Amino acid sequence: AQSVAQPEDQVNVAEGNPLTVKCTYSVSGNPYLFWYVQYPNRGLQFLLKYITGDNLVKGSYGFEAEFNKSQTSFHLKKPSALVSDSALYFCAVRDPYGNNRLAFGKGNQVVVIP
Amino acid sequence: NAGVTQTPKFQVLKTGQSMTLQCAQDMNHEYMSWYRQDPGMGLRLIHYSVGAGITDQGEVPNGYNVSRSTTEDFPLRLLSAAPSQTSVYFCASMTSGRLVEQYFGPGTRLTVT
Repeated sequence: AQSVAQPEDQVNVAEGNPLTVKCTYSVSGNPYLFWYVQYPNRGLQFLLKYITGDNLVKGSYGFEAEFNKSQTSFHLKKPSALVSDSALYFCAVRDPYGNNRLAFGKGNQVVVIP
Repeated sequence: NAGVTQTPKFQVLKTGQSMTLQCAQDMNHEYMSWYRQDPGMGLRLIHYSVGAGITDQGEVPNGYNVSRSTTEDFPLRLLSAAPSQTSVYFCASMTSGRLVEQYFGPGTRLTVT
C-alpha cells in the first residue's frame, strides 16, 4: 500500500526567506503526488500535483514542488515566504495501479515569522 | 457552484447517540469520500464511493455507515457515538480518474462526551 512521510512536525521560517516542506513517499510504480494546504478552521485546498513530465511542478500561491524519483521525495518549496503562508500542509500519494484512494501524510505546520 | 458542502459545522454528542453528517456536491463528481482528521495523524479514509449505489470501506470504517443514493449526496452515519470518534470530519469529491485532485468540504467538528 502507498504511504507518505512528512518528517517534521513544524517548520518555522522568517518572512522573506525560502520555505521548504519535506515529503517522502512509498508506492509501487510511478506515483501520483499531491500537495494540499489547510488554513485554520478550513477544509483542504489543492496546491499542486505531479503526474508525469517535468520534475519541477508549479502550483498556486507561488508554490512549487520538486519530484525526485531516486530519493522518493516530493518537497514543497516557496522562494520567499509570506506570513499568510502560515498553515498546515499535507502531502498525499495515489497508487497509479490501484484505486483512487489517496494516502496522506500527517501534515506539517508552517509558521512564518514576521 | 457551491462545491462541496457539509453540515453541521459543529456537533456535540453524548456517548451512544447516533447522528448523520451531511455532505453534498454540485459538480457532478462520481467519486466521493469521507476522512477524519486527528492531530499528528493526518487524514484517514473512512468510506468512499465511486458512484451512486456503490460504496466501499477505507482505512478506518468501524463505527460508521454510508450510502450513496444520488450522485450529489454522501451522508456519513455514526451508529452509536464513542469518545474515540471525536474528530474533524471532511468530505471530498472528484471526477473519475487517478490524475485529478480532490475537492474538500469545510469540515464538521464532532465532540463525543
